[in-house]
Amino acid sequence: GAVVSQHPSWVICKSGTSVKIECRSLDFQATTMFWYRQFPKQSLMLMATSNEGSKATYEQGVEKDKFLINHASLTLSTLTVTSAHPEDSSFYICSARDHRGRSQYFGPGTRLTVL
Amino acid sequence: SQQGEEDPQALSIQEGENATMNCSYKTSINNLQWYRQNSGRGLVHLILIRSNEREKHSGRLRVTLDTSKKSSSLLITASRAADTASYFCATDPGANSKLTFGKGITLSVRP
Repeated sequence: GAVVSQHPSWVICKSGTSVKIECRSLDFQATTMFWYRQFPKQSLMLMATSNEGSKATYEQGVEKDKFLINHASLTLSTLTVTSAHPEDSSFYICSARDHRGRSQYFGPGTRLTVL
Repeated sequence: SQQGEEDPQALSIQEGENATMNCSYKTSINNLQWYRQNSGRGLVHLILIRSNEREKHSGRLRVTLDTSKKSSSLLITASRAADTASYFCATDPGANSKLTFGKGITLSVRP
């Protein structure tokens, strides 16, 4: 089956620093990628939808200047958490939809801890 | 906002028993999907049922969909300790739109 990878799988950073998370579709082209955030014992909340070559569409309440998304190629999307604060600590999960739009594949997630 | 609402929120059963989890949703869907998530891990896609289907099987999994009631159920038969995980339903409205996840059900299977 299709594989989506995320890097890093976990990261610990100091408050005020920026962290970049990569999401790659390994064996298919993903015209659309999604970024989710999941707090402990809660569901996945969609943060933004990114389409290759265009600006991301952010969900209500998600700060676009804080969570920078770049989808520069059909196999790579990045999420940069800028000026991270402890409340940004969460599990970030990406997913990728193949170019036919039929299926959505999820990455393994990135655990972010901001000290 | 959450589309799917699962119940119960937590379920504890003995190994070998069946586990039934329910999901209700509010708007029209193209399909409904069930996922499993082990603690601290990513999502594993279990099964997809389309809006024109009423029941689907995959191994020990049985999913039903009632579009008139806007509800779905996931049945895991002959549960195993390894089935312990959180289970989420997700609705897909189609037209290349986005999935919306329910709050999830925590299933504990006691050995």
